[in-house]
Amino acid sequence: NAGVTQTPKFQVLKTGQSMTLQCAQDMNHNSMYWYRQDPGMGLRLIYYSASEGTTDKGEVPNGYNVSRLNKREFSLRLESAAPSQTSVYFCASSKQGGNEKLFFGSGTQLSVL
Amino acid sequence: LAKTTQPISMDSYEGQEVNITCSHNNIATNDYITWYQQFPSQGPRFIIQGYKTKVTNEVASLFIPADRKSSTLSLPRVSLSDTAVYYCLVGASLFSGGYNKLIFGAGTRLAVHP
Repeated sequence: NAGVTQTPKFQVLKTGQSMTLQCAQDMNHNSMYWYRQDPGMGLRLIYYSASEGTTDKGEVPNGYNVSRLNKREFSLRLESAAPSQTSVYFCASSKQGGNEKLFFGSGTQLSVL
Repeated sequence: LAKTTQPISMDSYEGQEVNITCSHNNIATNDYITWYQQFPSQGPRFIIQGYKTKVTNEVASLFIPADRKSSTLSLPRVSLSDTAVYYCLVGASLFSGGYNKLIFGAGTRLAVHP
């Protein structure tokens, strides 16, 4: 039982490049989330998906797009990366959303030069 | 919006009890209070959750007064390995079409010294 799996673990991009961060969970959870964490800071919610087929904006959605491909997978796309998007990205899932326990992946360290 | 407020940092020594308080004045009736722990280079992990009064598990206790406007995470006899960032999270911070968004605050950096 792997929990929440994120790929890649590390990525370096040049300004303007695009990439997709992948996230998959094997716990049959309904809700999935993408957070970013800047050095020394707390987590900020980028997008979330309350259930398969739905997505919604969080606190900091600008510059990102998401796709809830199926119940297991929730991807985050940077269409034109900017240095301000240098951060650690965490994917999380929960059974239902709201008061349920969040399970986090191990994160993707992204640097945009 | 059930915003949470925690101390930015705390220091303690091995073997001491540590209490971290979180304020959440606008907590809604259906909200639970959840605490997470985060070590460097790792995602946060669940510690404890409660709705009212006191909850205890193998790693911590959570005290919630009757008005539920604050909560206190208690870590008994801390060790060096408890050095981490601790986040207080109130569920159902935002509603959109009936769904909840889970918002983290800045957290409390706990440093445990020998």
